[in-house]
Amino acid sequence: AQSVTQLDSHVSVSEGTPVLLRCNYSSSYSPSLFWYVQHPNKGLQLLLKYTSAATLVKGINGFEAEFKKSETSFHLTKPSAHMSDAAEYFCVVSELGGHGNKLVFGAGTILRVKS
Amino acid sequence: DAGITQSPRHKVTETGTPVTLRCHQTENHRYMYWYRQDPGHGLRLIHYSYGVKDTDKGEVSDGYSVSRSKTEDFLLTLESATSSQTSVYFCAISARDPRTYEQYFGPGTRLTVT
Repeated sequence: AQSVTQLDSHVSVSEGTPVLLRCNYSSSYSPSLFWYVQHPNKGLQLLLKYTSAATLVKGINGFEAEFKKSETSFHLTKPSAHMSDAAEYFCVVSELGGHGNKLVFGAGTILRVKS
Repeated sequence: DAGITQSPRHKVTETGTPVTLRCHQTENHRYMYWYRQDPGHGLRLIHYSYGVKDTDKGEVSDGYSVSRSKTEDFLLTLESATSSQTSVYFCAISARDPRTYEQYFGPGTRLTVT
């Protein structure tokens, strides 16, 4: 079965500095991977997705993630943090099986941006 | 935004009472999912549907049942609510794009069981 480990439960950065949110996954086949963001008291929004095309994936709001098969990682980065980036971020792997696909979520990383 | 609504958005209920949450979509997507979100656990799948009247269990299905009598509606029922079912519940839909299996999420329902 697929699994996801987000290596940091909380990350704190200053506005204007780089963001790195770390994610490792476990999958027995070539996975689809996603990053979702959840702002306080809001639903989940898709940031970006990897689907076995380019290994460097660009998403919304300046976020990127790089798929590294040898390291089983899919870290999320952004060159310069903005106050509006403060939210909880989820790394997700798609699990095939049964009658449909299921998403397996990591536990989440809360990003705090200091002014 | 994907056309997904959830009702109610907030509910407080007492232990032992039945509760039904509704998910409604206007996208005509085949697949629908119910998740619960708890601190430190991310989202965990409760049940999902792969067509009208076709459902299957997820990771945390005990104490929950679902029904789907038409494409647009997916109901989650807690037959006898317990305090451990206090959570935020999210519905999701998917067209099962074979390239991505991307899911779109509703706004959530906050359920408190006292």
